Amino acid sequence: NAGVTQTPKFQVLKTGQSMTLQCAQDMNHEYMSWYRQDPGMGLRLIHYSVGAGITDQGEVPNGYNVSRSTTEDFPLRLLSAAPSQTSVYFCASSYQTTGARNTEAFFGQGTRLTVV
Amino acid sequence: GQQLNQSPQSMFIQEGEDVSMNCTSSSIFNTWLWYKQEPGEGPVLLIALYKAGELTSNGRLTAQFGITRKDSFLNISASIPSDVGIYFCAPGVTSYDKVIFGPGTSLSVIP
Repeated sequence: NAGVTQTPKFQVLKTGQSMTLQCAQDMNHEYMSWYRQDPGMGLRLIHYSVGAGITDQGEVPNGYNVSRSTTEDFPLRLLSAAPSQTSVYFCASSYQTTGARNTEAFFGQGTRLTVV
Repeated sequence: GQQLNQSPQSMFIQEGEDVSMNCTSSSIFNTWLWYKQEPGEGPVLLIALYKAGELTSNGRLTAQFGITRKDSFLNISASIPSDVGIYFCAPGVTSYDKVIFGPGTSLSVIP
């Protein structure tokens, strides 16, 4: 009964380093998304995907890349980390079908990233 | 694009008091969802609303889907310390579009 799994839970990076935040879901959800959460800023959408092979930008996409090669996985890549990317990152997944009532987003437990 | 506003931004209340918060949108929604995020965790769904004018309860929580479909309200009665957290509103995932969350209402309950 895993749901949405994010790894790692904590990470410290040096400025300029790259890394990938992993997100996997076992609910066969079409829709997956990445958010960042900063104090007083709520959840801001970085990138999202409506299915394997399809991704699109959210509100704050700069500095992040994503890919969706399978339904289960949606990794988030930081190509060259900057202190401004210090944040808590959440991955979420959901069913996405017109007219369906099961439209809630299921969230992972978050990755706390610090860039020094 | 889609824009959500929530008020108040934060609340500090005494245990036992009732709480009211609301969410407004620049777009019309077919579904309103209210989530709660406890410290150190991801948001979890509290209540879902599917019809304009709908009033739904979940224990001490009551939520309403505004008639204009551009707003929603969440009330918590007789607050307790475990109500502490951030409350978010968001549309349901019903179309091939980005899902934006409101900025959240942070609730603190003083015992």
